[in-house]
Amino acid sequence: GEDVEQSLFLSVREGDSSVINCTYTDSSSTYLYWYKQEPGAGLQLLTYIFSNMDMKQDQRLTVLLNKKDKHLSLRIADTQTGDSAIYFCAESRNQGGKLIFGQGTELSVKP
Amino acid sequence: GAGVSQSPSNKVTEKGKDVELRCDPISGHTALYWYRQRLGQGLEFLIYFQGNSAPDKSGLPSDRFSAERTGESVSTLTIQRTQQEDSAVYLCASSFGTGGGYTFGSGTRLTVV
Repeated sequence: GEDVEQSLFLSVREGDSSVINCTYTDSSSTYLYWYKQEPGAGLQLLTYIFSNMDMKQDQRLTVLLNKKDKHLSLRIADTQTGDSAIYFCAESRNQGGKLIFGQGTELSVKP
Repeated sequence: GAGVSQSPSNKVTEKGKDVELRCDPISGHTALYWYRQRLGQGLEFLIYFQGNSAPDKSGLPSDRFSAERTGESVSTLTIQRTQQEDSAVYLCASSFGTGGGYTFGSGTRLTVV
């Protein structure tokens, strides 16, 4: 996971926006993903972006991709306590289907 | 099935014993992946199967680890002579092709005592 980096913790107030950042190193990555993991549960795919896009919006989620800086972000608007979880970014490389995951960012939403 | 099914959900084993973990992917998914997640850590890639191609075993940490998959069906991950550092959640995922997102199972929590 050392090729994909995320900050480990983020704390926000309910109703604020959350921005979770991720950097990756492989410029040949084709897809970049955001997964959510709630305590004791498996990983849930939230959204993904193809590498020829720079933005994707899906309801409260906005993904921004800066290919030049190899930077990916996930913005959650109007963050709720139910959004508290660990968020993983991942990249998919051309030579295989395996995903390389970051260490995960633990999002804590305080009422 | 509707989702990726893994069994057992929890396994406690004694150091030195062999264990087998099972993954039943979504029907029709050609790709199957195993990952390991140690406590408080990210996901570590172990092995990847795509159709009838030779599996990508580049993530297996030692020769004590092996995995099999018959066709596009069930996969088993075997850990021989388990060690305490093998304690982790072992996650399986499947996908249709290699470009889309995976669907993960709930994992098998392995504890080696």
